[in-house]
Amino acid sequence: GNSVTQMEGPVTLSEEAFLTINCTYTATGYPSLFWYVQYPGEGLQLLLKATKADDKGSNKGFEATYRKETTSFHLEKGSVQVSDSAVYFCALTPVGGGADGLTFGKGTHLIIQP
Amino acid sequence: DTGVSQDPRHKITKRGQNVTFRCDPISEHNRLYWYRQTLGQGPEFLTYFQNEAQLEKSRLLSDRFSAERPKGSFSTLEIQRTEQGDSAMYLCASSFAGGGLWEQYFGPGTRLTVT
Repeated sequence: GNSVTQMEGPVTLSEEAFLTINCTYTATGYPSLFWYVQYPGEGLQLLLKATKADDKGSNKGFEATYRKETTSFHLEKGSVQVSDSAVYFCALTPVGGGADGLTFGKGTHLIIQP
Repeated sequence: DTGVSQDPRHKITKRGQNVTFRCDPISEHNRLYWYRQTLGQGPEFLTYFQNEAQLEKSRLLSDRFSAERPKGSFSTLEIQRTEQGDSAMYLCASSFAGGGLWEQYFGPGTRLTVT
């Protein structure tokens, strides 16, 4: 079956540090890949997505590249801010869309200290 | 344009009672999904509808769980004879099936506590 593995948290960084949150997946074919973010007290929000190999999703200074050869979709940001503190979820849907819904990783809690 | 809404936001119930949650999707979305999220875990897919048809329900956690979307608009998720292990956040999401986008938009969730 499909699965997503992401790095355990919490991840604690200082403001302006470089961020990487690792995400690898197992799926048949070519899934679509997503990063969702959950800010404290709020619902899940789509952060970025990529639908095919070598696509780069980007939003709010965050980037992730769909790497088929390593089955990875690592999230990066060059300079984090305190407001980036949240829980980040990597997720996938199978080829063709939401037939099985989204498969999520366990989430990575990011804490940015001033 | 309003987002996905869920009602209630919090529900406390006693073990053995039935509970029902409601989800109102984004108006032009034809797909609606239910997920469960327990503490420290990512959301777990339960079921989904395209319009009023329930296209996947094998992931529902037990036969105590059921979902409906009678007119292809709002949906309800019912849990019968609740157990303490049902305590979790129940999330609803909606999407538009078309154009290959498959982006799901989530509601704020209903937090269930079974005592």
